[in-house]
Amino acid sequence: KAGVTQTPRYLIKTRGQQVTLSCSPISGHRSVSWYQQTPGQGLQFLFEYFSETQRNKGNFPGRFSGRQFSNSRSEMNVSTLELGDSALYLCASSSGSRTGELFFGEGSRLTVL
Amino acid sequence: SQELEQSPQSLIVQEGKNLTINCTSSKTLYGLYWYKQKYGEGLIFLMMLQKGGEEKSHEKITAKLDEKKQQSSLHITASQPSHAGIYLCGAAQGGSEKLVFGKGTKLTVNP
Repeated sequence: KAGVTQTPRYLIKTRGQQVTLSCSPISGHRSVSWYQQTPGQGLQFLFEYFSETQRNKGNFPGRFSGRQFSNSRSEMNVSTLELGDSALYLCASSSGSRTGELFFGEGSRLTVL
Repeated sequence: SQELEQSPQSLIVQEGKNLTINCTSSKTLYGLYWYKQKYGEGLIFLMMLQKGGEEKSHEKITAKLDEKKQQSSLHITASQPSHAGIYLCGAAQGGSEKLVFGKGTKLTVNP
């Protein structure tokens, strides 16, 4: 059974640009959550999608957005990139039952110059 | 908001030694996750605990959620270099997929 797949694994952008990250959850999982990990703030919750609807949202500015497709694959977008957006972005997949296990992908490492 | 404090922040042990990592919550834990992370990589799921007093084991790693459901411990028996990494505890918020994480415990196992 394939795990959670995130693409791209690494990317470099410049300030002001935008970026789109992709996440394919484990087959059969309907919930996809996104997290940002930085050395200073640690792991922080961005948002969660379940059946194409945003079910939970963290405390991030509107520049951070996401969506989920009918096949449960999810994308997140960050517009007008800032230096502080440099981070490891992790996607987590679960059944969505809210009591099940949460599995993470390898992450997408974004560097903003 | 809920906060998780992990102790110790870092740990260096000799191969073969036992060790314990603690995770203390500022609020009652409804679901507690333990993950392992190698630097710059994704999180590897270890265990999930939900009930007070629950204890789970996988290979040489045992995790327990205390009766009052505000603290969890992760115990590694006879540590090996392969156990090295950052251990993170995460607490489910109100039964949702939103997790609040501790800052992590960096484990080094010297051969």
